[in-house]
Amino acid sequence: DTAVSQTPKYLVTQMGNDKSIKCEQNLGHDTMYWYKQDSKKFLKIMFSYNNKELIINETVPNRFSPKSPDKAHLNLHINSLELGDSAVYFCASSQDRWNRAGEAFFGQGTRLTVV
Amino acid sequence: LAKTTQPISMDSYEGQEVNITCSHNNIATNDYITWYQQFPSQGPRFIIQGYKTKVTNEVASLFIPADRKSSTLSLPRVSLSDTAVYYCLVGPTGNTPLVFGKGTRLSVIA
Repeated sequence: DTAVSQTPKYLVTQMGNDKSIKCEQNLGHDTMYWYKQDSKKFLKIMFSYNNKELIINETVPNRFSPKSPDKAHLNLHINSLELGDSAVYFCASSQDRWNRAGEAFFGQGTRLTVV
Repeated sequence: LAKTTQPISMDSYEGQEVNITCSHNNIATNDYITWYQQFPSQGPRFIIQGYKTKVTNEVASLFIPADRKSSTLSLPRVSLSDTAVYYCLVGPTGNTPLVFGKGTRLSVIA
């Protein structure tokens, strides 16, 4: 069974569209994250949720809105997509808030291409 | 947050031991050192974590000197499948998640 699964794996869309990426974890973890990896391969934290509560919201445009219906799911909705949003988006989860165990599990990523 | 510095890239032949060193001069008392591996088109994968001295698991060893200002990830007898980017991370502090730097791109050559 896949621990952290994201859908879709690939997403190609036009500028101005609205799209969502879904993430689910079956590890029973309390905390979930969204990371963005750009073309230069830098991995940057976007959001973090702990038990459905937003605990980290880095400097991300308001067009990005995470939603956590329950602690096993963290979806990412993006409005008015721009060319610069093209990147690979990774969902991750950990048992606690990046506690000493430090181990986080990442999904396979969603490659978003805005044309 | 403690900043980390590691080589941008390394090359190695199959069967050799590879050591990747990470500098983290500003590491805090409560910080742990964690290494992740990322293959192309995949998410990062946890390799090993340590606080001081030496930690070993089935994948790698992590050496941390007494001052903890650096650490070395050791991969024994690498194979082509070990070609990946390796990230050294230090933390966490409070609610702040681990920060990924540029990583070290390891290329294993036959």
